[in-house]
Amino acid sequence: KNQVEQSPQSLIILEGKNCTLQCNYTVSPFSNLRWYKQDTGRGPVSLTIMTFSENTKSNGRYTATLDADTKQSSLHITASQLSDSASYICVVTSGTYKYIFGTGTRLKVLA
Amino acid sequence: EAQVTQNPRYLITVTGKKLTVTCSQNMNHEYMSWYRQDPGLGLRQIYYSMNVEVTDKGDVPEGYKVSRKEKRNFPLILESPSPNQTSLYFCASSPALMTVNEQYFGPGTRLTVT
Repeated sequence: KNQVEQSPQSLIILEGKNCTLQCNYTVSPFSNLRWYKQDTGRGPVSLTIMTFSENTKSNGRYTATLDADTKQSSLHITASQLSDSASYICVVTSGTYKYIFGTGTRLKVLA
Repeated sequence: EAQVTQNPRYLITVTGKKLTVTCSQNMNHEYMSWYRQDPGLGLRQIYYSMNVEVTDKGDVPEGYKVSRKEKRNFPLILESPSPNQTSLYFCASSPALMTVNEQYFGPGTRLTVT
């Protein structure tokens, strides 16, 4: 069964600190892996997209890594800001049209 | 402004009363999709469409219908809503998925079925 698991479920950090979110997947066939940021009550917004051959991709203070051998990805947030408070969702695309979503990590950044 | 719009944003209805949630995109995207999001379950794909008149089931299609008569519109139809369809619904679109393209999400429709 195709699955995407994220950890931790929730995380609280102080403003300015770094954090790393984890994503493990068992999806076949694998096309690409995406990280989304979702503010409460709003639609997800894409942060990064990585194909099988890419092992790191950055978008400002967000850096995603992908290890296709171990089927693991991480999202590292550097120098967190209050506006980073949101849910972060890992999504694996299988084949051409199928998206498998993780349940997300809820991040809260405190001043 | 490039965007995906959904209407209504909030809807409270009763069991069995047919409803339609509209979705429209102005980016000339081929691919459109509907998702529902429930606490603890993440987003689950209901239906998707690869282009006009081409649709397919996602993971949770039961109780839903869709149509794609025009490229820009992809309405979600609940013929006989039930309380277990109470959820937050998102429409999304992207260029053809043969390449790695971003998927753009609408603002969401919160549906309550009593």
